[in-house]
Amino acid sequence: AQKVTQAQTEISVVEKEDVTLDCVYETRDTTYYLFWYKQPPSGELVFLIRRNSFDEQNEISGRYSWNFQKSTSSFNFTITASQVVDSAVYFCALSERNGGFKTIFGAGTRLFVKA
Amino acid sequence: DTGVSQDPRHKITKRGQNVTFRCDPISEHNRLYWYRQTLGQGPEFLTYFQNEAQLEKSRLLSDRFSAERPKGSFSTLEIQRTEQGDSAMYLCASSSDLSGRAGDTQYFGPGTRLTVL
Repeated sequence: AQKVTQAQTEISVVEKEDVTLDCVYETRDTTYYLFWYKQPPSGELVFLIRRNSFDEQNEISGRYSWNFQKSTSSFNFTITASQVVDSAVYFCALSERNGGFKTIFGAGTRLFVKA
Repeated sequence: DTGVSQDPRHKITKRGQNVTFRCDPISEHNRLYWYRQTLGQGPEFLTYFQNEAQLEKSRLLSDRFSAERPKGSFSTLEIQRTEQGDSAMYLCASSSDLSGRAGDTQYFGPGTRLTVL
């Protein structure tokens, strides 16, 4: 069965600190896709990244980086030099090639970045 | 290039009333999804359309819920005889994939927040 666990409910950091958001997933499919979305206070989910199960290369985009490790079923997200505008709820999500068209989301991690 | 739009943004209704929400996907997207999000939780999948065909429905979608996408463009989600437990944010997402496979990136609208009194 599909499952996504984001164990950190809330994280609070001071501006310019680095922060890592954890994501652990469960799937029986060999082909699957992992996503991260950001939900700022305005409420709209903003797509950040998509990664397929065959691509374990880490990715960096500006201050954002993602660490995908199939051995531990984890897809962690790091924000370097955090800024107040990074304050939001971040969701990790999973979609399986053979699991229908639904995407399963974790419960989210609320990040507070204080000035 | 406009994103996904949803109308209304907020809806307050009394228990037992019917409500209808509209979603306009990104214009070239053939796939459309509805999700429900309650406070402190991630979005939960409700249903999926490929063009005008409703191909997948969650068990969360009770008989009081119905969704349509009549011409493969906009979609409506109707809730009949609303209950207080229906209070949530209803999110619409769209994507474009001609391969027939799952796993493409979904782009979300701003949501419709429903409050049932």
